[in-house]
Amino acid sequence: DTEVTQTPKHLVMGMTNKKSLKCEQHMGHRAMYWYKQKAKKPPELMFVYSYEKLSINESVPSRFSPECPNSSLLNLHLHALQPEDSALYLCASSQDNRVSDTQYFGPGTRLTVL
Amino acid sequence: GENVEQHPSTLSVQEGDSAVIKCTYSDSASNYFPWYKQELGKRPQLIIDIRSNVGEKKDQRIAVTLNKTAKHFSLHITETQPEDSAVYFCAASLFTYNNNDMRFGAGTRLTVKP
Repeated sequence: DTEVTQTPKHLVMGMTNKKSLKCEQHMGHRAMYWYKQKAKKPPELMFVYSYEKLSINESVPSRFSPECPNSSLLNLHLHALQPEDSALYLCASSQDNRVSDTQYFGPGTRLTVL
Repeated sequence: GENVEQHPSTLSVQEGDSAVIKCTYSDSASNYFPWYKQELGKRPQLIIDIRSNVGEKKDQRIAVTLNKTAKHFSLHITETQPEDSAVYFCAASLFTYNNNDMRFGAGTRLTVKP
């Protein structure tokens, strides 16, 4: 399996909802990432997990809460989001920090906050 | 932190012509420079990358050059085809253990006219 998968593909939520985005890879990669991409903009790094430990948090608001249950899974828990949080949320993974940091992206979850 | 600038923001070429996209970076310690292609509604796909110990890398119609002294790198696409039309992002990161902080340029929208 050479892909990063993400669910759901689309998500519409109200500002009071709680939802989760899921990301999975079975390439044996030990680093996983969350990016946020607004329309016509580049991906912006949110979080990095390395060997299931949070290694980078780019000052993301606490309404976004990442979780890495194991080396293959990455979740992003969402709570009390704002309409400006509407964006494409991309997950990525890379093999191993000491070997290669080539990042492979999932197809993304398109999030709309009403 | 790293800052990546990318030019031009839009580029239109005739099929068969060459296209060149340029990026500069600010952190002289950065040592990994990937290029991603993103078609509308799809994930960023790695098309080529280069590490700081190499000055040039080629893969069929795509080549990347790196000038570490000047801190800039460029993507060259020869014999362009309509299917090359997409947004291209350059990125730069420092490849060390537990540091996967990759920063993207703003992107170049390439249009190849048949």
